[in-house]
Amino acid sequence: GAVVSQHPSRVICKSGTSVKIECRSLDFQATTMFWYRQFPKQSLMLMATSNEGSKATYEQGVEKDKFLINHASLTLSTLTVTSAHPEDSSFYICSALSPPKGGRSGNTIYFGEGSWLTVV
Amino acid sequence: AQSVAQPEDQVNVAEGNPLTVKCTYSVSGNPYLFWYVQYPNRGLQFLLKYITGDNLVKGSYGFEAEFNKSQTSFHLKKPSALVSDSALYFCAVHTGGFKTIFGAGTRLFVKA
Repeated sequence: GAVVSQHPSRVICKSGTSVKIECRSLDFQATTMFWYRQFPKQSLMLMATSNEGSKATYEQGVEKDKFLINHASLTLSTLTVTSAHPEDSSFYICSALSPPKGGRSGNTIYFGEGSWLTVV
Repeated sequence: AQSVAQPEDQVNVAEGNPLTVKCTYSVSGNPYLFWYVQYPNRGLQFLLKYITGDNLVKGSYGFEAEFNKSQTSFHLKKPSALVSDSALYFCAVHTGGFKTIFGAGTRLFVKA
């Protein structure tokens, strides 16, 4: 089953409103989560790195005031698209960094199912 | 800088025939290579990964990939394609900081 959950899976919002997308790690604590965006017929691009208890690190060209990221707990990171516009319509997906477990060495990245945002 | 290249935008194959989706990479140090699949209107699903060990990696749904260090390639393969394999496939590399760098994606069409 899924170990990283995203909600909502699909959302339609009106232009000018804000929408929040949640990313939860279900059976592990994730000090680090990542947010990606995929425009139609394009690849996935990293937007930002979300660190629990500290400010997110944004990739070049991503507006931090428009895409607010909050990682207030070890199992939840949220992405809020503020004052959304039609050009923000995209597929947003998160990943979470799982610590080593079960005798396995090294960390593992798990992706959520993604969230489709349509701004009308 | 680390990068991943998928030279084919689209691959067409007949059902029952073998399929190959190509991927080459450029990384410093040991590569952590992945394949993901995205079905229409669905999220991203993990297929397989290469971290170390055997160069031939077996994954979900009968897919496998071969790590070739000399050619810096990590091609995805399946001996017999199914129509249901039609999807968008991404090759990816994980950086030391656990960021994921994706290739541009290759759309696979399997015709019945």
